[in-house]
Amino acid sequence: QQQVKQSPQSLIVQKGGISIINCAYENTAFDYFPWYQQFPGKGPALLIAIRPDVSEKKEGRFTISFNKSAKQFSLHIMDSQPGDSATYFCAASMKVAGTALIFGKGTTLSVSS
Amino acid sequence: GAVVSQHPSWVICKSGTSVKIECRSLDFQATTMFWYRQFPKQSLMLMATSNEGSKATYEQGVEKDKFLINHASLTLSTLTVTSAHPEDSSFYICSARDDNYGYTFGSGTRLTVV
Repeated sequence: QQQVKQSPQSLIVQKGGISIINCAYENTAFDYFPWYQQFPGKGPALLIAIRPDVSEKKEGRFTISFNKSAKQFSLHIMDSQPGDSATYFCAASMKVAGTALIFGKGTTLSVSS
Repeated sequence: GAVVSQHPSWVICKSGTSVKIECRSLDFQATTMFWYRQFPKQSLMLMATSNEGSKATYEQGVEKDKFLINHASLTLSTLTVTSAHPEDSSFYICSARDDNYGYTFGSGTRLTVV
């Protein structure tokens, strides 16, 4: 059972465009929803995260939109740059101590210059 | 911010030998650490949850006798791949939860078994 479903699998965006990646979750006990960026051969790095008590969070060019009733959240990358080309993972976890992050399958983003 | 150091970053070993990977939390105490495995172009799959001073909890399908996890202190967890075979070749990544409830990841270890 895949607990976090991510789409699309790959995405090509022109420089300056908006990249949008979507995730849906099933477990209503999840209460922490981060997005990670990963470059080849590196560990994932936290981009931005949100808790279910807010519907949107913005940090620089990155915005998370969260829809609790639909159990969906998305990452928007504004003014996409070639340096943003990477694999992006959504994830979810519960606040209970000792619980791990569960990852989506990832989205490979390519920003063309 | 929280930093997790993982070593080695890459290792090549012969089939049948064992390899140890270390994961250290540098500026915080990590009661719980997690080990993930990532195959090329795939997502991170949780292998086990490591709790300081107690036995690790393994995910279904992960051989606990092959992947030995030790979490002897609040800053160090180790993963030993025993009797490694080519199919164990993968990218192994550790993670720790910091005091602010966030998760910090190590830089990963590329294991190649020849």
